[in-house]
Amino acid sequence: QVQLVQSGAEVKKPGASVRVSCQVSGYDFSNFDVNWVRQATGQGLEWMGWVNSITEGLAQKFQGRVTMTRNTSMSTAYMELSSLRSDDTAIYYCARGDAMDVWGQGTTVTVSS
Amino acid sequence: QSVLTQPPSASGTPGQRVTISCSGSLSNVVSNYVCWYQKLPGMAPKLLISRNHERPSGVPDRFSGSKSGTSASLTISGLRSEDEADYFCAAWDDSLRGRVFGGGTKLTVL
Repeated sequence: QVQLVQSGAEVKKPGASVRVSCQVSGYDFSNFDVNWVRQATGQGLEWMGWVNSITEGLAQKFQGRVTMTRNTSMSTAYMELSSLRSDDTAIYYCARGDAMDVWGQGTTVTVSS
Repeated sequence: QSVLTQPPSASGTPGQRVTISCSGSLSNVVSNYVCWYQKLPGMAPKLLISRNHERPSGVPDRFSGSKSGTSASLTISGLRSEDEADYFCAAWDDSLRGRVFGGGTKLTVL
């Protein structure tokens, strides 16, 4: 079945970078975008951007601080967030395609000094 | 402040019908498909409705979606206790060139 499996929880200091991975299975990785969405505690869902086999598209808020890539041979997408701040503490999700019809389990990123 | 506007809360008793609204603009709701997601605590979001009104396989037909003009709606019929969750609408925004979410609606089953 279609699955998106994300990397484990991370604890980072302010100013550092974090990279979250999302390995997919059960479908042709090349045929779908991968979206990244985050949710801070008590907050709503926030779309960060998407990546496909050709390019990426980022929400304006994250331009210059987020890089989204993918490795087709490993069927894995990556989201790297730099210059971390305390308000980047959140659960980060990857999700498949335009409709975001299948989601990863989420990766908790904690930013604390 | 979210680009798409949802009521922060909604409630109903078991068996009732509840409708959650999602208000947007020409650049998002009017021009593009709206999706709805259910978010349970500690779980990943789940797609309930795609392309304004389409239900993915496995989603009960108690859930339905519609769109008219700048607003979209999610209706839950025959409300059940397990429907208690947060619900989010989303759409592509042509002006922002990105996806936007509503702020979410917390549904309480009384």
